[in-house]
Amino acid sequence: DTEVTQTPKHLVMGMTNKKSLKCEQHMGHRAMYWYKQKAKKPPELMFVYSYEKLSINESVPSRFSPECPNSSLLNLHLHALQPEDSALYLCASSHPLRGPIDYGYTFGSGTRLTVV
Amino acid sequence: GQQVMQIPQYQHVQEGEDFTTYCNSSTTLSNIQWYKQRPGGHPVFLIQLVKSGEVKKQKRLTFQFGEAKKNSSLHITATQTTDVGTYFCAGMGSGNTPLVFGKGTRLSVIA
Repeated sequence: DTEVTQTPKHLVMGMTNKKSLKCEQHMGHRAMYWYKQKAKKPPELMFVYSYEKLSINESVPSRFSPECPNSSLLNLHLHALQPEDSALYLCASSHPLRGPIDYGYTFGSGTRLTVV
Repeated sequence: GQQVMQIPQYQHVQEGEDFTTYCNSSTTLSNIQWYKQRPGGHPVFLIQLVKSGEVKKQKRLTFQFGEAKKNSSLHITATQTTDVGTYFCAGMGSGNTPLVFGKGTRLSVIA
């Protein structure tokens, strides 16, 4: 299995809703990432998990809450989002953060989130 | 912090013409990676360059890493309509910091 699977593919939520994005990989990668991508912009790093521990939080607002239940799963819990949070949310995985990465990041197809 | 600049932002070419995108980092990189994102798709890893002065080829694509490990380029020979998309470079600094993406170059190919 050489894929990162993200669900749902599309999500529309109100500003008072609570929802979760899910990400799964079975490549044995031990580093997992959440990126946010606005239209016509590059992916912007949000969180990094290394060996199931949060290692980097790029000053993301607390309305985004990541969780890594095990080495294959990564969740992003959403609460009280704003319309400007509408974007494509990408999950990625890679080999552990030691030395040069051999094979790059594998991205999921993303969740296209619209906050109304 | 580390910044990665990429030019041009857009490039429109006739099918069969060549295309080049350039990437420049404010700091020395441990490696640089290139990704392609098709319209409506997600970034797909193309290649990683690690060594100073490294050149790698994938069919019509040629990737170079500068001697100082601060710049890189992607050259596509004889573009095809299947090359359409946004090409991102992404640099990794020392200390295993996560990738920093350039702004990308959006390539349009006119048949």
